[in-house]
Amino acid sequence: AQSVAQPEDQVNVAEGNPLTVKCTYSVSGNPYLFWYVQYPNRGLQFLLKYITGDNLVKGSYGFEAEFNKSQTSFHLKKPSALVSDSALYFCAVRASNTGGFKTIFGAGTRLFVKA
Amino acid sequence: DSGVTQTPKHLITATGQRVTLRCSPRSGDLSVYWYQQSLDQGLQFLIQYYNGEERAKGNILERFSAQQFPDLHSELNLSSLELGDSALYFCASSVGWGASYNEQFFGPGTRLTVL
Repeated sequence: AQSVAQPEDQVNVAEGNPLTVKCTYSVSGNPYLFWYVQYPNRGLQFLLKYITGDNLVKGSYGFEAEFNKSQTSFHLKKPSALVSDSALYFCAVRASNTGGFKTIFGAGTRLFVKA
Repeated sequence: DSGVTQTPKHLITATGQRVTLRCSPRSGDLSVYWYQQSLDQGLQFLIQYYNGEERAKGNILERFSAQQFPDLHSELNLSSLELGDSALYFCASSVGWGASYNEQFFGPGTRLTVL
């Protein structure tokens, strides 16, 4: 079965410290992986994606993610967290679906950055 | 602002009723996706349309239906509403027919409350 797991419901980090939000996946074939962020009362915003190539992907707002095929992981990282990074983060994978593709989202990880 | 618009922002209705949610994709995007976000189920993919045709189906109930019109806007129809249908409904759009590597752009959502 194709799935995405975000093992942490919540991540707390102090402003200025590095942050990591974890994601693991299970799909058949090549995975196409995405990170989205959701601020309160807003829709999801695309942060970055991995299709192929370099395992380290750089995205918006200073975020990056590392694809690890052997560990089937795609962790989101940022070297120095900001209070404004506090939001709900979703990892997603595109998986094949009869006649098309569907996106499977993880349950989300709430990031709290404390000043 | 993602360029995806959704109306209405809020909708309050009673059990057994029928409602229609509307979405206009970003200019030039041919694919439209519908998602349901609730506290207990997370973000669930419902259905995808490309240029007026259904492309992929997710966990969409038989009481729900959708369509995409020639001007590319889409409507999600929810009928025989139940309390459990209360949720945030998001529309998203992407370039092309929804190739697996295209990111999606989300609208602000419609919050549906069924009383």
